[in-house]
Amino acid sequence: IAGITQAPTSQILAAGRRMTLRCTQDMRHNAMYWYRQDLGLGLRLIHYSNTAGTTGKGEVPDGYSVSRANTDDFPLTLASAVPSQTSVYFCASSETGTAGAETQYFGPGTRLLVL
Amino acid sequence: GQNIDQPTEMTATEGAIVQINCTYQTSGFNGLFWYQQHAGEAPTFLSYNVLDGLEEKGRFSSFLSRSKGYSYLLLKELQMKDSASYLCAVRDRDYKLSFGAGTTVTVRA
Repeated sequence: IAGITQAPTSQILAAGRRMTLRCTQDMRHNAMYWYRQDLGLGLRLIHYSNTAGTTGKGEVPDGYSVSRANTDDFPLTLASAVPSQTSVYFCASSETGTAGAETQYFGPGTRLLVL
Repeated sequence: GQNIDQPTEMTATEGAIVQINCTYQTSGFNGLFWYQQHAGEAPTFLSYNVLDGLEEKGRFSSFLSRSKGYSYLLLKELQMKDSASYLCAVRDRDYKLSFGAGTTVTVRA
């Protein structure tokens, strides 16, 4: 099935634990993104990658790291989780580099609760 | 960076029209997007504007004025399934999106 998958669907995590959220796309998109969505704040960009082998920081990168070893996968790691990282995390992908209506396609999200 | 404002909530009756406004301040404009997000689901693409004017797609239309930093999404012939959050997003020259907080539209029978 074409699109973006995320795992896990939801997770309860103890503060201080390390956690990796997985994201895989099969659309061969160049660019991938991680957002968090919190009530009243909307979607905020954490990290992004315009192509395999490169990554960049978004609006709220602190406490998170990413890697982009290949085109399809873009994992997000919380090295030592804190309660303020409780959120819904969305992965997205898009074509990039052309002046067109290339939109971002979103995965189903991971609901994370840090206690 | 981007500063994007849209109303928090709107309520309308089935069959009516609703207009959701979005204003933005940007350091580098490269297109404006509208997404729809149903509760508990991922955002899905609705429309895209990069030039001034109106783009129509069925019951949904989106308008852009770059000089005013203003866009609106027009939803016509409202249906119950249109109850959702509508997200305004501005793309910068690095192809990154900045989102508004979203407008929750409730359609009543």
